[in-house]
Amino acid sequence: EVQLVESGGGLVQPGGSLRLSCSASGFTFSRYGMHWVRQAPGKGLEYVSAISSNGGSTYYADSVKGRFTISRDNSKNTLYLQMSSLRAEDTAVYYCVKDRGYGDSLDAFDIWGQGTMVTVSS
Amino acid sequence: DIQMTQSPSSLSASVGDRVTITCRASQGISNYLAWYQQKPGKVPKLLIYAASTLQSGVPSRFSGSGSGTEFTLTISSLQPEDVATYYCQKYNSAPRAFGPGTKVDIK
Repeated sequence: EVQLVESGGGLVQPGGSLRLSCSASGFTFSRYGMHWVRQAPGKGLEYVSAISSNGGSTYYADSVKGRFTISRDNSKNTLYLQMSSLRAEDTAVYYCVKDRGYGDSLDAFDIWGQGTMVTVSS
Repeated sequence: DIQMTQSPSSLSASVGDRVTITCRASQGISNYLAWYQQKPGKVPKLLIYAASTLQSGVPSRFSGSGSGTEFTLTISSLQPEDVATYYCQKYNSAPRAFGPGTKVDIK
């Protein structure tokens, strides 16, 4: 079964840091671009960050650029999101998502993790 | 960046009704358009990609159409289990932005 399982969320103070992990199984992780999408409580979906299959190319939304770093370890089938200088507006459920097509093709997201909640509050 | 809009923002319809949701892109995106369904408290689910291709396992009452800047998601006969928020997403380039969503419920 194709599966993505996020971990690492929690309560953090403004200005703090957190690292999210996403463990992938059931598919050849190293062949797919991966992404993070977040959803603030009661709000819509916001595209956060992307990384190519070999990790050589990344993208960040303006709202997180310079504060978040996406990375991956293909030997461990794991995606990461290092978050620093966290703000209240970063409070959201963070989803790890997989491209439908392999080889860094431009494609929709066919598999979503269950999400991990990040709360930024003092 | 290309902006995505959706209309209406919410709708209420009866079981069996035909429901149409519109998604517009601020610039042409060819057919690089996906639709997702998010039921209350659940994870988003891919319904349609390439504007009109149904994802495996999605009921045939769902269909998509459009190209360029205007797209539609149609539910041919609304069912109680279709209560959800529907999002469009463009994926022709980064950022793969989502529309603001359309909330569908039963009248």
